[in-house]
Amino acid sequence: EAQVTQNPRYLITVTGKKLTVTCSQNMNHEYMSWYRQDPGLGLRQIYYSMNVEVTDKGDVPEGYKVSRKEKRNFPLILESPSPNQTSLYFCASSLRLALDEKLFFGSGTQLSVL
Amino acid sequence: RKEVEQDPGPFNVPEGATVAFNCTYSNSASQSFFWYRQDCRKEPKLLMSVYSSGNEDGRFTAQLNRASQYISLLIRDSKLSDSATYLCVARMGDYKLSFGAGTTVTVRA
Repeated sequence: EAQVTQNPRYLITVTGKKLTVTCSQNMNHEYMSWYRQDPGLGLRQIYYSMNVEVTDKGDVPEGYKVSRKEKRNFPLILESPSPNQTSLYFCASSLRLALDEKLFFGSGTQLSVL
Repeated sequence: RKEVEQDPGPFNVPEGATVAFNCTYSNSASQSFFWYRQDCRKEPKLLMSVYSSGNEDGRFTAQLNRASQYISLLIRDSKLSDSATYLCVARMGDYKLSFGAGTTVTVRA
């Protein structure tokens, strides 16, 4: 089944404790992206990747890191989480966004930083 | 100013009613547009793309007005299952999508 798998689904952590949210897609998509969703603000892009080893900042990259060592995986790393990073996070992928291929989303990760 | 703005609603409508709402975008260079549907903090799913000539898919009709920089979505014969948040999305450049905050629709029996 074609899908984007995101883990964990829920995560509660404390300020400063490094964490990684994993994202994997099995559709051989070139484009992958991370979003955070906060009430009243919609989805805001954190980072995106056009292909292996090619990443770029989105609108809200501060406090986050990503890597794209393999085509299928695009982990989101919070080196030192802070309470303002409490949010609902979505990973998404697309074959080629520039050709208006649709985005496939993971199920989301609800992160709470205490 | 947000790149994509939507009336948050909620729009509360009875089953069978028609509901329509708009979304405005600020960047006239936006290349293409979409409506995604999101159920209660689950993952968004593509509802339809919006073509310059308008687009219809069953009970759903989307239209684009480039002169006034807005996109509309109309739902005819509303079903209970149409209750969701509808996200307006604009593609700006090859790798950037801007999402609106969503319009909530609640269809009541």
